[in-house]
Amino acid sequence: GENVEQHPSTLSVQEGDSAVIKCTYSDSASNYFPWYKQELGKGPQLIIDIRSNVGEKKDQRIAVTLNKTAKHFSLHITETQPEDSAVYFCAASSGSGNTGKLIFGQGTTLQVKP
Amino acid sequence: DADVTQTPRNRITKTGKRIMLECSQTKGHDRMYWYRQDPGLGLRLIYYSFDVKDINKGEISDGYSVSRQAQAKFSLSLESAIPNQTALYFCATSDSYRLNYGYTFGSGTRLTVV
Repeated sequence: GENVEQHPSTLSVQEGDSAVIKCTYSDSASNYFPWYKQELGKGPQLIIDIRSNVGEKKDQRIAVTLNKTAKHFSLHITETQPEDSAVYFCAASSGSGNTGKLIFGQGTTLQVKP
Repeated sequence: DADVTQTPRNRITKTGKRIMLECSQTKGHDRMYWYRQDPGLGLRLIYYSFDVKDINKGEISDGYSVSRQAQAKFSLSLESAIPNQTALYFCATSDSYRLNYGYTFGSGTRLTVV
C-alpha cells in the first residue's frame, strides 16, 4: 500500500548548524507534500508544504526540496535554534486528485543543543 | 479558543469499556480526520469524513467507529477498549473548497487502556 518512509528517526545538532530530514514515498500519484512540527504536548502544526509542480520552496530558515522522479523530498533547516527542537513529520497526499488524505512518515525527533 | 478542540485531553479506561473521543472545529472546514500516534509509527489514519454523509475507513479502522454529527463535530468511539489502543489520538480538519490540503490538528487526546 501507500507508504512514506522518514529518516533519521532522531537527529541531534548544535545550535547554528543545519538539519536535514529526508522522506521517500511510494505513490507516484502523490502531488502534495507538507511538513509538520509537533512540540511537546501539542498537535502537529504545518510549517511548510510543496506541490508536485515545484522543485523547491523556501520560507526563512526552512526549505523543502522535491524530486518526483526519485520520489523523495527533504526538509532543510538552517541556522538551527533551540526552539526548533521538536518532532517533525513529513506527509504525502494519497492518490491523485483531491482526496485530502495524507500518509505520514514515522517522525524525526530533532534536538538542537545550545 | 482553539480552532480544533478535542475532549478529553487525557483519559484512563479499563479493558472492555466503551469510550468516545470528541472533536469539534470552528474553522468551517468540510473534511475531518482521526489519526493515532504511536512512537516510531508516526500518524496513522483511522477514519475520515469528507462531509456529514461521507464516512470512510482509514488504514487501521478495526476496533473503532466514528460519527459525524454535524459539519463541525466528529467523534471517535472504541466499542470495547483493549490495551493496544493506548495511544495519542488526533483529530484534524482540512478545507477542500480552497484546494488547501493542509491539516489543522487538535491538541490530542492521550488514551490509556489498562
